[in-house]
This record gives sequence, C-alpha cells and structure tokens, in this order.
Amino acid sequence: GAGVSQSPSNKVTEKGKDVELRCDPISGHTALYWYRQSLGQGLEFLIYFQGNSAPDKSGLPSDRFSAERTGGSVSTLTIQRTQQEDSAVYLCASTLRGQKFQETQYFGPGTRLLVL
Amino acid sequence: DQQVKQNSPSLSVQEGRISILNCDYTNSMFDYFLWYKKYPAEGPTFLISISSIKDKNEDGRFTVFLNKSAKHLSLHIVPSQPGDSAVYFCAASDTGTYKYIFGTGTRLKVLA
Repeated sequence: GAGVSQSPSNKVTEKGKDVELRCDPISGHTALYWYRQSLGQGLEFLIYFQGNSAPDKSGLPSDRFSAERTGGSVSTLTIQRTQQEDSAVYLCASTLRGQKFQETQYFGPGTRLLVL
Repeated sequence: DQQVKQNSPSLSVQEGRISILNCDYTNSMFDYFLWYKKYPAEGPTFLISISSIKDKNEDGRFTVFLNKSAKHLSLHIVPSQPGDSAVYFCAASDTGTYKYIFGTGTRLKVLA
C-alpha cells in the first residue's frame, strides 16, 4: 500500500467496553510498532512486532492491553474493559527490516480513542 | 526516566529567520537519531536523521547537528516558512534494540 493506514480514525466508547484498533503497515515491511500519545505527552512505546512475533510486550500498560499480528501484515491492538486513562491517540508505525537496522519509521495517522 | 528530552514545549520564529529546536538524551548507547514533524490530526512524518558516526546532516533547509559529548542534538530550519509550523519530535534509538525513544515534542510557530 501507499502508506500505513489505521482504523478507525476516531473511536468513542464507554468505560468498561472493549475496543479493537487496526493497523495496516506498508506492504513488505517486516517490523511494526504501536505507540500511544496522551495529551501533552510524547510517544509512549507499547509493543514491537518482528514478523508475527512480539519479542517484548513490556511496554503494554496493563494486562487489559494485547496485540497480535497475522500474516506478517495487519496488526490489531485490543484494549479490554477500557478506562478513562486509556484515552489517547494510538499510533502505528512500520519499518522495512526492523531490529539492528538504522531505519525510518513510517507512521499511520493514528486512532483517537476517547473513553467516556 | 525521560531518556530523550525536549525542554522547550513551544517556539515562535519570524518567517525567513532560523528556527533551532533542541533535544537532549541520556543514554550513551543511542546511535541513531531522527526528527519527525507532526501536523494536527496526522501521524508524525520523517524529516531528517543522523547516525552517531556523523556530527551533521543536511537536507535542503533542514540541518541536524549532533554533539555526542554533550548528548545533544539540534534541528536548524533555514529559512523558516509558515508551512513549517507543526510539532517537532526528536527520537533516538540503540540499533541493537528495536526501540525508538521519543521526546515530548516542541511546537513551532512560524509567524508570517
């Protein structure tokens, strides 16, 4: 594809509901990253995929957060039992080769999540 | 512990003048540094990068300087244009890992 795409672009949900955020990386990119940007904050690293594997999930804020990647392409970030503090912009990025290479990350437009 | 710091949350510059955005880091293992620009409601877009083996990289109006001894990098935009108004993030990575650590951003406003 032309670039990284994310859906939905905006999501409003009620506290306690589950949400699923989707990321389509650039075709052929093996590495995929999820970040969160809360209001007034920098980009907080959540999780990294090399292919379908996530070597380190320690960036996920709690066990309510999970992510998977299938077919080395699309990734979904799931937040269960959402809380108001989960409100943020969730950004996805991809790189061609990943770990051990000096590469540019290409970002999607983000999903703006608001938990009421 | 904030490993990458952008201590100026905002900066205003007159059109045509130089904009200088600063970034400090603490981890001496970082060996690759990037600057991203972000417009409202869009994802960050890559601007320029520098490897730790260099101290300067230039691309058109944008130049990044790296001072490894001071653990400091800066982005110079000359001349500044109103379209440069955006939030600028610096990021650093240790090539041996997968992590890119981002600063909190500096909002640049270029006044016409």
